[in-house]
Amino acid sequence: GAGVSQSPRYKVAKRGQDVALRCDPISGHVSLFWYQQALGQGPEFLTYFQNEAQLDKSGLPSDRFFAERPEGSVSTLKIQRTQQEDSAVYLCASSPSGVANTGELFFGEGSRLTVL
Amino acid sequence: GDSVTQMEGPVTLSEEAFLTINCTYTATGYPSLFWYVQYPGEGLQLLLKATKADDKGSNKGFEATYRKETTSFHLEKGSVQVSDSAVYFCALISRSGTASKLTFGTGTRLQVTL
Repeated sequence: GAGVSQSPRYKVAKRGQDVALRCDPISGHVSLFWYQQALGQGPEFLTYFQNEAQLDKSGLPSDRFFAERPEGSVSTLKIQRTQQEDSAVYLCASSPSGVANTGELFFGEGSRLTVL
Repeated sequence: GDSVTQMEGPVTLSEEAFLTINCTYTATGYPSLFWYVQYPGEGLQLLLKATKADDKGSNKGFEATYRKETTSFHLEKGSVQVSDSAVYFCALISRSGTASKLTFGTGTRLQVTL
């Protein structure tokens, strides 16, 4: 399958622990997005990469959240000192070019984070 | 900022019933509009889109018309099937500087029964 792959699918963390969520986008896709989806809500934008450049991180809720895409392919979203309010599904999406061109993002199935 | 408002669910319909899921938006200018669908156990996927006023997007029997007068993009289907059970998200493109992103509504869960 050549879709967007995310790991782990499920993560349980104790409050205060650090977590790292991985995203493997579709090969060759330039754009990569991270979204946060709380229970019963729509996806909320976190950050956007064009290749290795992080062009927009305005949605990151605090400085505990950090994302990187060092080689312009795989991306990691890191959350430090997790809090209960961080519990959500974290979605990764990629696109061959900027979303403005087609509006089509290809989403992974998400990583469900539960902070106890 | 730009936002999308969807009708709350869940919506429960019998098979072959008519479906409408309301969506309105607030934005500067006339953004492209989208409906995404999330089937159980799967990632979100694009269902249909419209890029300018009066455009009608359609796919898999679903339709939505871009109405700038009412800032709406309601999703309709004439005869739903059990396989249409999913969560439906209305979205628009928001622009921030040189970057663009999708802004989503809260989603509407559709349950179709036999």
